[in-house]
Amino acid sequence: ETGVTQTPRHLVMGMTNKKSLKCEQHLGHNAMYWYKQSAKKPLELMFVYNFKEQTENNSVPSRFSPECPNSSHLFLHLHTLQPEDSALYLCASSRWTSGEETQYFGPGTRLLVL
Amino acid sequence: QKEVEQNSGPLSVPEGAIASLNCTYSDRVSQSFFWYRQYSGKSPELIMSIYSNGDKEDGRFTAQLNKASQYVSLLIRDSQPSDSATYLCAVNIQGAQKLVFGQGTRLTINP
Repeated sequence: ETGVTQTPRHLVMGMTNKKSLKCEQHLGHNAMYWYKQSAKKPLELMFVYNFKEQTENNSVPSRFSPECPNSSHLFLHLHTLQPEDSALYLCASSRWTSGEETQYFGPGTRLLVL
Repeated sequence: QKEVEQNSGPLSVPEGAIASLNCTYSDRVSQSFFWYRQYSGKSPELIMSIYSNGDKEDGRFTAQLNKASQYVSLLIRDSQPSDSATYLCAVNIQGAQKLVFGQGTRLTINP
């Protein structure tokens, strides 16, 4: 699905590093999401933005900091991560209409924290 | 009780047979249901969405929804090796702008 792009596709970082993940959607959607997918675990919703406003923070540690400057762009700022934060981070977008939203995913960023 | 439950598998089906994937959910007032396919190392891609009780067909795929029994299923006819993937069931939570995903069922189609 080229409508949602993510960069970088792979990232290796140390626990003291600061990095950012970027997501961009070209579908004209108004809602964007960050998910975490660890091995053998269900997709975990992290953050939801609707028209640039954060509407959901699913008890995510403060070392993850989202930013949504407009409806097309979403960032996830990372700092002082832990090895257990290594996972696939997926961005998704949707045109939110109550009860019938369909989310489209980007290709993901594979993150390894050393 | 998990909000969305799937059998994690693996589910093995011979090529050409029908693969049947099941999902149950706990929120009785959920309105929207989705099946995603995820190949290893890739992101989920939408296969089917269904909103009303009954069957919805799209090519070799049929989604079935039974709100009274709170289950949704996906049938894949004439299974192909390329259908081997993890299938994720997702349910919209009423009043919340989010989907809840099951843990996925790993499907293997054997040639």
